[in-house]
Amino acid sequence: SQQGEEDPQALSIQEGENATMNCSYKTSINNLQWYRQNSGRGLVHLILIRSNEREKHSGRLRVTLDTSKKSSSLLITASRAADTASYFCATLRNTDKLIFGTGTRLQVFP
Amino acid sequence: NAGVTQTPKFRVLKTGQSMTLLCAQDMNHEYMYWYRQDPGMGLRLIHYSVGEGTTAKGEVPDGYNVSRLKKQNFLLGLESAAPSQTSVYFCASMRYTGELFFGEGSRLTVL
Repeated sequence: SQQGEEDPQALSIQEGENATMNCSYKTSINNLQWYRQNSGRGLVHLILIRSNEREKHSGRLRVTLDTSKKSSSLLITASRAADTASYFCATLRNTDKLIFGTGTRLQVFP
Repeated sequence: NAGVTQTPKFRVLKTGQSMTLLCAQDMNHEYMYWYRQDPGMGLRLIHYSVGEGTTAKGEVPDGYNVSRLKKQNFLLGLESAAPSQTSVYFCASMRYTGELFFGEGSRLTVL
């Protein structure tokens, strides 16, 4: 079964608004990562947060991790139409297996 | 640098036929992975390798075999294709810091 579950499954917002996606997982992890996938393309790594970190920033991205609740959130601030994509969380277990969630489809309208 | 390259990009098979997907990476990464992506299912790990000559099972290994004879190549084989194996297959290699680099995918249809 999949390790991560993203919420919501789909999200539609206007340009300039913030987008928040959540990820829940089931077992202990080494790190949690977020990836982006444009339609028909391969996944691209966005950000990695380690199990001993609580928050991380990268440009317009902000990721939080709560290991007690086994959950993470990805915040994209001031969204742009070019942010339209699917976003996946992935958890690293046993230092060698990266297991993905089911993804959130984000649509940003101009 | 090409990164991760998958061949072929598209393939149509008949039930029972066999084929091999090739993944090549030029980043000298030790770890390599094969995933399949189906609508609404996200990515599911088929097999992976932690170094030349090693392979291990992932979440959905049945019906697939893999080989890692050279560090830069990771092959995924289907011995007897079934319609349930219609999917988009992604190969990835892992940097030492833990993030994956993906190929552009191989779209397989089994009739």
